Amino acid sequence: GAVVSQHPSWVICKSGTSVKIECRSLDFQATTMFWYRQFPKQSLMLMATSNEGSKATYEQGVEKDKFLINHASLTLSTLTVTSAHPEDSSFYICSAMGLAGLSNEQYFGPGTRLTVT
Amino acid sequence: QKEVEQNSGPLSVPEGAIASLNCTYSDRVSQSFFWYRQYSGKSPELIMSIYSNGDKEDGRFTAQLNKASQYVSLLIRDSQPSDSATYLCASMNSGGYQKVTFGTGTKLQVIP
Repeated sequence: GAVVSQHPSWVICKSGTSVKIECRSLDFQATTMFWYRQFPKQSLMLMATSNEGSKATYEQGVEKDKFLINHASLTLSTLTVTSAHPEDSSFYICSAMGLAGLSNEQYFGPGTRLTVT
Repeated sequence: QKEVEQNSGPLSVPEGAIASLNCTYSDRVSQSFFWYRQYSGKSPELIMSIYSNGDKEDGRFTAQLNKASQYVSLLIRDSQPSDSATYLCASMNSGGYQKVTFGTGTKLQVIP
């Protein structure tokens, strides 16, 4: 099956610092990757859609200057939370979709739990 | 207005019974539908995808799609305690900008 990894799986950082989260598709090429955030006992919230080689498309209410997304290759997308604050503490999950025409199924990474102190 | 709606539950079924999870969607251009399982504290895991009207079976799971009624369901036969999780329904549009919309999920509890 399709495997997506995320690194790190958890991170604790101080308020005001930046944190980078990596999302990799290990056994398939992903033209599209998605970044989600999930607070405890709440549903997934799509933050942005990332296409390889182009700028990410952010959902309404998500600050693109705060959540920097880079999709440099067909297997790697990164999310950088800049100047993190305690309210940014959440479970960040990426997902990847295969090449168009082959599959439009979305496969999720294991998630990154961010705690900002 | 929510685009994908699910009953939040919890839905409780005894072990060995059939669990029936339902989902409705509002966007008629949606073409692809997915069911994900999410255990507490974990990320979602794809269980089934369905694109055509009718039933699709995979082991103990059967997905049903009725585009006329804008309705998707997931049946879990011989429910096991390990099936206890939140089940997310999702739809995808058919346009050039592919966007997946998730429901808020139904929590399933299988009672031993």
